[in-house]
Amino acid sequence: QVHLAESGGGLVQPGGSLRLSCVASGFTFGDYYMNWIRQAPGKGLEWISYINPGENIIYYAESVKGRFTISRDNAQNSLFLQMNTLRVDDTAVYYCAREKIWVGTTDNAYDLWGQGTLVTVSS
Amino acid sequence: DIQLTQSPSFLSASVGDRVTITCRASQGISNYLAWYQQKPGSAPKLLIYAASTVQRGVPSRFSGSGSGTEFTLTLNSLQPEDFATYYCQQVKSNPPTFGQGTRLEMK
Repeated sequence: QVHLAESGGGLVQPGGSLRLSCVASGFTFGDYYMNWIRQAPGKGLEWISYINPGENIIYYAESVKGRFTISRDNAQNSLFLQMNTLRVDDTAVYYCAREKIWVGTTDNAYDLWGQGTLVTVSS
Repeated sequence: DIQLTQSPSFLSASVGDRVTITCRASQGISNYLAWYQQKPGSAPKLLIYAASTVQRGVPSRFSGSGSGTEFTLTLNSLQPEDFATYYCQQVKSNPPTFGQGTRLEMK
């Protein structure tokens, strides 16, 4: 059974740090680009970062650039998001998602999502 | 950044209805568009990729079309489980962006 499971969310004060984890199971984690997407309460989806299998292609949304760091450990089937200098507007459910590229095409989309972990930034 | 604008933002319909949601891109994205369904308290679920390819396991009443800047998601013969929020996403260029969402509610 293919599965992604996030953890590490919680309540943190503005200016604080948090590290999210996403553990994959049921597929070859090291074959896939992985993404973090967040959703503020009652709002839409916001993509925030991706990383390729070799960790040499990384991209961030402007809203988190310089504060968040994405990384992965393919041997441990794990994806991470280190979040520093957190702000109130970083409050959201954070999802990890697998990016599938269909063989023989350039078609891609996020075909597997975790259940999300809630990060609340508040004093 | 490429902006995606969905219309309508809110839609009221009945079981058995046919509904269409539109997603317009601020610049051409070929067919690099996906559609997702999200129910309250749950993660998004991929429905359509490459604008018109239905993801395996998704009912055939879901279909997508379009290319360039205008795309549509059509739901034929609405079922009770289809009432949810729908998002389009472009994967043509960085950063990937989502539409603001269309909330489909039961009339």
